[in-house]
Amino acid sequence: EADIYQTPRYLVIGTGKKITLECSQTMGHDKMYWYQQDPGMELHLIHYSYGVNSTEKGDLSSESTVSRIRTEHFPLTLESARPSHTSQYLCASSWTGTTTEAFFGQGTRLTVV
Amino acid sequence: AQSVAQPEDQVNVAEGNPLTVKCTYSVSGNPYLFWYVQYPNRGLQFLLKYITGDNLVKGSYGFEAEFNKSQTSFHLKKPSALVSDSALYFCAVRVPEDSSYKLIFGSGTRLLVRP
Repeated sequence: EADIYQTPRYLVIGTGKKITLECSQTMGHDKMYWYQQDPGMELHLIHYSYGVNSTEKGDLSSESTVSRIRTEHFPLTLESARPSHTSQYLCASSWTGTTTEAFFGQGTRLTVV
Repeated sequence: AQSVAQPEDQVNVAEGNPLTVKCTYSVSGNPYLFWYVQYPNRGLQFLLKYITGDNLVKGSYGFEAEFNKSQTSFHLKKPSALVSDSALYFCAVRVPEDSSYKLIFGSGTRLLVRP
C-alpha cells in the first residue's frame, strides 16, 4: 500500500454544511491531485497541485476548493454541500516527471442528504 | 481532445482461462500508458506502465500489457485468471507535453472471474 491517506473514509452530511476532506502523503511527492469518481465509476480530475502554494482546477468543474500549504497535505473543502456533491473523492500524488505513476488514497465516499 | 476508451463495461472469464481487458487511446504525441486496479471500497492500485522500449510490459500479480502503437492500443492480459482478480480495471494515459502531469482515465472495465 502507498503512503497516502484520506479521511474520513465515509461521510454522510446534511445539505448546506461545510466539509473538508483530508489527504496526506508521507512520500514527499510534489504533485497532488483530486479526482471525483461518479457512480458510473469514471474518474474526473477536479484539482491538482504542482507544489506548495500551487493549485489549479482540473478538467471537471467543481464547486470545491483546495489548498496546499504543506507538501504533504492537500485538503479539499466544500463550503456548502449539496446532494449533487454525492460522490467518491480520490486523492493521489506523484513525483515530478511524466513517467512516474501516481499513488492513490483509499478514497472518501461522500453522501449529502 | 485527448481520450482513452475501454470498450467493454464488463469482461467475464472462467478461472484458469486467459483474460484480456482492452484499452485504446487518442492523444497527441507519444503518451505514457498505465493500468490501475480498484477493489471494492478501495483506491486505485498501480499495476504496470509503458514508457518506452519493449512493447510487452510485465506488472504486478502476473498481469502484463501489450503496447501497439499502430493500433493505439494497450491491452491488459493475464495468462490464467484468478477469482481474486475480479475488480474494476482502469487504463490511463499521460501526455508528456501536459505540464499538469495528470492521468487521463478510461471509463473502467469490470472483470468478473467465475470459479
